[in-house]
Amino acid sequence: NAGVTQTPKFQVLKTGQSMTLQCAQDMNHEYMSWYRQDPGMGLRLIHYSVGAGITDQGEVPNGYNVSRSTTEDFPLRLLSAAPSQTSVYFCASKYATVSTDTQYFGPGTRLTVL
Amino acid sequence: GDSVTQMEGPVTLSEEAFLTINCTYTATGYPSLFWYVQYPGEGLQLLLKATKADDKGSNKGFEATYRKETTSFHLEKGSVQVSDSAVYFCALNQAGTALIFGKGTTLSVSS
Repeated sequence: NAGVTQTPKFQVLKTGQSMTLQCAQDMNHEYMSWYRQDPGMGLRLIHYSVGAGITDQGEVPNGYNVSRSTTEDFPLRLLSAAPSQTSVYFCASKYATVSTDTQYFGPGTRLTVL
Repeated sequence: GDSVTQMEGPVTLSEEAFLTINCTYTATGYPSLFWYVQYPGEGLQLLLKATKADDKGSNKGFEATYRKETTSFHLEKGSVQVSDSAVYFCALNQAGTALIFGKGTTLSVSS
């Protein structure tokens, strides 16, 4: 199993550009989520999905879109990048929404918006 | 709402010292509790977990006990190594909701 994979690892954008961060998992997990990590802020939830075709907003959803057309993939779209979106983005997945399940994380995408 | 509070870092220790990182939580139900570790330049990985009161999670010499009476899940290790240098996150999860993280504690161990 590759686990949770993310591409790209690094990205530099100009303000106003759009892009998609890719996330895939090969563990047949129902639940997938996106976090951003900023210094002193811990991890903050952007969006999550409890299954194909179902998505919902987390703590900091503004400026981001997601879709879940397959169980495996959960891309994160930045519609019009802003410097405030400079961050490290982590995708995560777990089997289901039960509280005891372990959540697995991808290696992260480091995004800089100029 | 539910929340997790961790001691602020950085924590700086010499090799073989005893480690404690405090974590307390606020939750309305009966959450599961986790410690995740993030090594430099990597994603988070599960270190240990406990799913009910009085459970002890352990892994790689680290331990934490789920204390419902004090709403705590403190991380301990008897003798740290340089390779333990990382950021440690305490987290809780309730059924049907997303994982909630503390802000993380940076541990630096010197030889």
